Amino acid sequence: DGGITQSPKYLFRKEGQNVTLSCEQNLNHDAMYWYRQDPGQGLRLIYYSQIVNDFQKGDIAEGYSVSREKKESFPLTVTSAQKNPTAFYLCASAGLGRDTQYFGPGTRLTVL
Amino acid sequence: DQQVKQNSPSLSVQEGRISILNCDYTNSMFDYFLWYKKYPAEGPTFLISISSIKDKNEDGRFTVFLNKSAKHLSLHIVPSQPGDSAVYFCAATMIYNDYKLSFGAGTTVTVRA
Repeated sequence: DGGITQSPKYLFRKEGQNVTLSCEQNLNHDAMYWYRQDPGQGLRLIYYSQIVNDFQKGDIAEGYSVSREKKESFPLTVTSAQKNPTAFYLCASAGLGRDTQYFGPGTRLTVL
Repeated sequence: DQQVKQNSPSLSVQEGRISILNCDYTNSMFDYFLWYKKYPAEGPTFLISISSIKDKNEDGRFTVFLNKSAKHLSLHIVPSQPGDSAVYFCAATMIYNDYKLSFGAGTTVTVRA
């Protein structure tokens, strides 16, 4: 059945280490997005990609990097330059109309 | 600069009654509005949406109303059920901004038995 998967569900890393979060979709969606959620706040856009091999910065891209080598995959790397990396990270995708995004289950990243 | 605001952080309602969630926005260029429901430690689930050319959209127990002149939309849930207890996010998007979503901070709904 179609959907968006994110792995792992929980991730722990030491301060100063880079970490890559996985996002895969089999919905045949062209557009993919990464958001982070902090307690008591809405979702904030980190990066998005409208097509393979192309991506744009969102509102809070500093300290993050992405790649889009395949339509199905949009991994997010949280680098050591990100000052407050502990958060809940959500991946989403959208089809042809782009107006409705569908979300994965999320990854809770904790940096110790 | 938060363009979408949900000014009520929480709402408590009795089972069977109506839940009304409110959302205000500042950018008149938004042309599509969505509501998402989110349980703790899970991804948001799309609930219902409305285009800026409409003023009402209904799907089962959920109805969204849009008042463009007031830059205000609301979500009505009738009747409220225990499974509706969750955080509800209002979001807005526009074609001129690559359909990027702007989210409100969310309203936590608790349905009491």
